[in-house]
Amino acid sequence: DAGVIQSPRHEVTEMGQEVTLRCKPISGHDYLFWYRQTMMRGLELLIYFNNNVPIDDSGMPEDRFSAKMPNASFSTLKIQPSEPRDSAVYFCASSFPGQGFMNTEAFFGQGTRLTVV
Amino acid sequence: AQSVAQPEDQVNVAEGNPLTVKCTYSVSGNPYLFWYVQYPNRGLQFLLKYITGDNLVKGSYGFEAEFNKSQTSFHLKKPSALVSDSALYFCAVRDPTDKLIFGTGTRLQVFP
Repeated sequence: DAGVIQSPRHEVTEMGQEVTLRCKPISGHDYLFWYRQTMMRGLELLIYFNNNVPIDDSGMPEDRFSAKMPNASFSTLKIQPSEPRDSAVYFCASSFPGQGFMNTEAFFGQGTRLTVV
Repeated sequence: AQSVAQPEDQVNVAEGNPLTVKCTYSVSGNPYLFWYVQYPNRGLQFLLKYITGDNLVKGSYGFEAEFNKSQTSFHLKKPSALVSDSALYFCAVRDPTDKLIFGTGTRLQVFP
């Protein structure tokens, strides 16, 4: 498996534009996580899915953020409209379940560096 | 609420000396604990985990971690640091709802 694949690697957009980040998890993983990393806030969990269903989206900062997982091999994180304070690195990670499983570590993609100007 | 604390923003150590990066946790039930490393402009890489069993866990690149239930700690250690170990290290806990929560990270700087 090629690992978790995120696209694009870099995105520069103007304030007010819609941004869509994409993630392909590792095949067979039940869980998918979206994180945001900034110098000020560190690594924040935005939302996570189990079998394509959102379990906890309490980390999504505002209604401008939305995430979907239409099937087991694809997820998107959308920001509409984007603002300069959304500039960050966004990571996607996938894993098997936690409880009762030994192979429970998450694997991360390379991230998408978003710059909103 | 489940949480992980990394009390040190940065740890400095000379090459060849032992290193310790600290982590404490708060979670209901049995903790699933992890250490990850992040090199510049890269994603997080899994180092090691504690699920059950021996309190001393060995992982990648010569790292190990000691689980201490009474102190609710999971410190990362290495007997002899390398300059190439310089990176950002994250401790994480997986809670009973399978949420994966990370600490704020500790920057390790190994000086030649």
